[in-house]
Parts: sequence; C-alpha cells; structure tokens
Amino acid sequence: SQQGEEDPQALSIQEGENATMNCSYKTSINNLQWYRQNSGRGLVHLILIRSNEREKHSGRLRVTLDTSKKSSSLLITASRAADTASYFCATDGNSNSGYALNFGKGTSLLVTP
Amino acid sequence: GAGVSQSPSNKVTEKGKDVELRCDPISGHTALYWYRQSLGQGLEFLIYFQGNSAPDKSGLPSDRFSAERTGGSVSTLTIQRTQQEDSAVYLCASSYSPGISSYEQYFGPGTRLTVT
Repeated sequence: SQQGEEDPQALSIQEGENATMNCSYKTSINNLQWYRQNSGRGLVHLILIRSNEREKHSGRLRVTLDTSKKSSSLLITASRAADTASYFCATDGNSNSGYALNFGKGTSLLVTP
Repeated sequence: GAGVSQSPSNKVTEKGKDVELRCDPISGHTALYWYRQSLGQGLEFLIYFQGNSAPDKSGLPSDRFSAERTGGSVSTLTIQRTQQEDSAVYLCASSYSPGISSYEQYFGPGTRLTVT
C-alpha cells in the first residue's frame, strides 16, 4: 500500500525559480528518500534523510523532515529545464517487506525556459 | 560501473499468454526488488530478494505472478495467463544489504508491458 503522498500533484514554474514539493506519510519510518523519474521509466535516487535528521542538503536540493508531523519537503533552488520530471518520496520501516520502499504517486514538475 | 539492466525494454503480448521479464542487478548488491508502476501512479512493491533467504512475496497481486533469483544475481519475473490489468511498467531495483534500515535503491530502466 502507498504510504507517502506528495503535494502538489503538479507544479509548473519558470527557470530560476525555486520548486517546493511536500510529502506526508502515515507510520513511523527509519528513513525517507526522494527519487526523480524522467519519462515514466527508471528512477534516480536524489537524497536520503534518516529519521534522526531534520535537514539535509545536496547541491541545489534541500530536504527537511519533521517526524512529529510525519512530513518532508524537497526544495529545488534555481530550477532548470532539465529538472522537469516526476518526483517521488519513499519511506521504509513499515512496509510489508520491512525493507521495500513505499512510494507516493509523485509530483510532476514542469520547468519552462 | 554498470547499472541495473532489464530486458526486454518493451513487451507486447496477447491476453492469456505468459511473459518473462529479466533483471540484472548491480554486482555486489545482495538485495533485489521488483515494483510495478501503472500509468500515472506511484510504485507498487511486488517482491524482495535478500541474499539466499526466502523471498518476501507479500506484494505479489495474484498467484499468476512469480519470481526467481538464480545464484543470488539475475532475477526473472514471470506473469502467467496475462490480463489487461497487468499492463504497466515493471521496475527492478537493487541495493546493498538493508541491515537495520534501507539503503538507496538503484533502479533499472524498466520493462513496459502491454497486454492486448
């Protein structure tokens, strides 16, 4: 079953602007990960944040995690047209398998030149 | 190094036929996962292999679905008597042994299955 839910479902911005996507989940986690998917095919791992971390940076990406609210946000600064993709949050720690990830339906980001 | 590879990239089959999808994980990764993604949806977990342990099949939607992992490396997902609702992109991922919590997973490009 899907645990993470991204918000908004779709986001359209211009190059240079910042993009913020949110993720909410329902049960306790060990970590939360963000992935990017281009053209409906393979996913690329972006960043992993552990349950005892509150913020993490990687290049133009900034991820926050609030375990009390069971939510996370992904901020992409100074967006580029190449950032156009679908972004998914994924949680572990409570899936049926214990280790497989639970993915949300994703946020579709469009960055226009 | 080489990433996760999957074959075929596209498969069109008639309803009722059996199909086999193949996944080659990254060398050294002991964990292998199969997911399914229907149009516009998130990923749905199907099955998980870890080393030589018995696989976790809790995500398989019906007994028409099965998977094997030979020699702790290559995996094959088999769908018998395919139905139109099986049409989706099937994604394989691998990772290092999860341990206490999961590591990042590396995904293959997927197999797009269309059942006509």
